[in-house]
Amino acid sequence: DAGVTQSPTHLIKTRGQQVTLRCSPKSGHDTVSWYQQALGQGPQFIFQYYEEEERQRGNFPDRFSGHQFPNYSSELNVNALLLGDSALYLCASSPQRWGSEQYFGPGTRLTVT
Amino acid sequence: AQKVTQAQTEISVVEKEDVTLDCVYETRDTTYYLFWYKQPPSGELVFLIRRNSFDEQNEISGRYSWNFQKSTSSFNFTITASQVVDSAVYFCALANQGGKLIFGQGTELSVKP
Repeated sequence: DAGVTQSPTHLIKTRGQQVTLRCSPKSGHDTVSWYQQALGQGPQFIFQYYEEEERQRGNFPDRFSGHQFPNYSSELNVNALLLGDSALYLCASSPQRWGSEQYFGPGTRLTVT
Repeated sequence: AQKVTQAQTEISVVEKEDVTLDCVYETRDTTYYLFWYKQPPSGELVFLIRRNSFDEQNEISGRYSWNFQKSTSSFNFTITASQVVDSAVYFCALANQGGKLIFGQGTELSVKP
């Protein structure tokens, strides 16, 4: 049973560019959440997708957008990259039941230069 | 507002010592969930335990135990007879009704042989 997978593993971009990160949820999970983790910090919630709609959003600007596909996989897009967007981006999946544990992928390390 | 505080930034112990990681949370919700996750150097967050606000029973799983006290809004984690493989960053998290996880800053545990 495959867990949560994310691609790519590492990415280096230049300020002002755009980036797309991808996530495939654990089998049987229909809800995907994205988190940003800066070095030495706890993960910060970006948004959550269920039934191809954004259900909750954290305190992130509109430069951060996402999408969920019918197979429950998801993308995170970040436009107009800033140096401060450098972080580990974590995807988590869960069944749509409140309080369900979220299973995390290995993350994508984004470096903006 | 919801908040999770892990006051211990770093803890260093010698193998076989017992160690307790503290977690204090704030929420106005009467129903909520609490979690502990482990993040080894590889970066992937590993789920350890979930506890709902109605269940204050302490839990033990092998060398791990958790003490949940609503009266003090605390959910502490104890590792008995620590091992080098326990070295990691440990995060406490609170889930709101929508499933958004609010993480603490994390406690970096170093277990030396």
